Amino acid sequence: TQLLEQSPQFLSIQEGENLTVYCNSSSVFSSLQWYRQEPGEGPVLLVTVVTGGEVKKLKRLTFQFGDARKDSSLHITAAQPGDTGLYLCAGPNAGGTSYGKLTFGQGTILTVHP
Amino acid sequence: EPEVTQTPSHQVTQMGQEVILRCVPISNHLYFYWYRQILGQKVEFLVSFYNNEISEKSEIFDDQFSVERPDGSNFTLKIRSTKLEDSAMYFCASSLRGNVLTFGAGSRLTVL
Repeated sequence: TQLLEQSPQFLSIQEGENLTVYCNSSSVFSSLQWYRQEPGEGPVLLVTVVTGGEVKKLKRLTFQFGDARKDSSLHITAAQPGDTGLYLCAGPNAGGTSYGKLTFGQGTILTVHP
Repeated sequence: EPEVTQTPSHQVTQMGQEVILRCVPISNHLYFYWYRQILGQKVEFLVSFYNNEISEKSEIFDDQFSVERPDGSNFTLKIRSTKLEDSAMYFCASSLRGNVLTFGAGSRLTVL
């Protein structure tokens, strides 16, 4: 079974600070996805990283896929209160036939204080 | 923007009762999924559905669970005889090509 472990589980910072969230596995993933989930909502896809070493930027968010495709990170620059939420990483299960069979990490709860 | 809609948003039921959770996927999507999230735990895959049949299911998805696409728009999850441990948030998702999933807001099931 492929597992994804995220760290930290909780992150509480002040507006304007930078932060990094990590997603690690002992298994290789063909791709990894990052989602953001707000209370009362389902996960919303932020990005998919596919190539080892890939870096993708989405405004103040930078996503990186490890060279070995076993880990990923999400870096937020100058965090804002609107960034508050649950951040999840997920990857397709290698043993599955369905690309939509995703394994999720346990999530990082980010709180950005004004 | 197209979205996946789920009903009900919250259902409370007695142990042993049957529950049907409903989902309206995005209209041109071909792949459909159910996930669940028990409070404080990870989001877990339950089942995927394509071409009017189950394409994959997890070990959680036992004989008490079933899915249906009764018409061209709805996708339902039925739990025949609910247990306390079925209490969770259930998320429906759909995808056009099976790689990018759009999730609904979820249905919270509370079994008493």
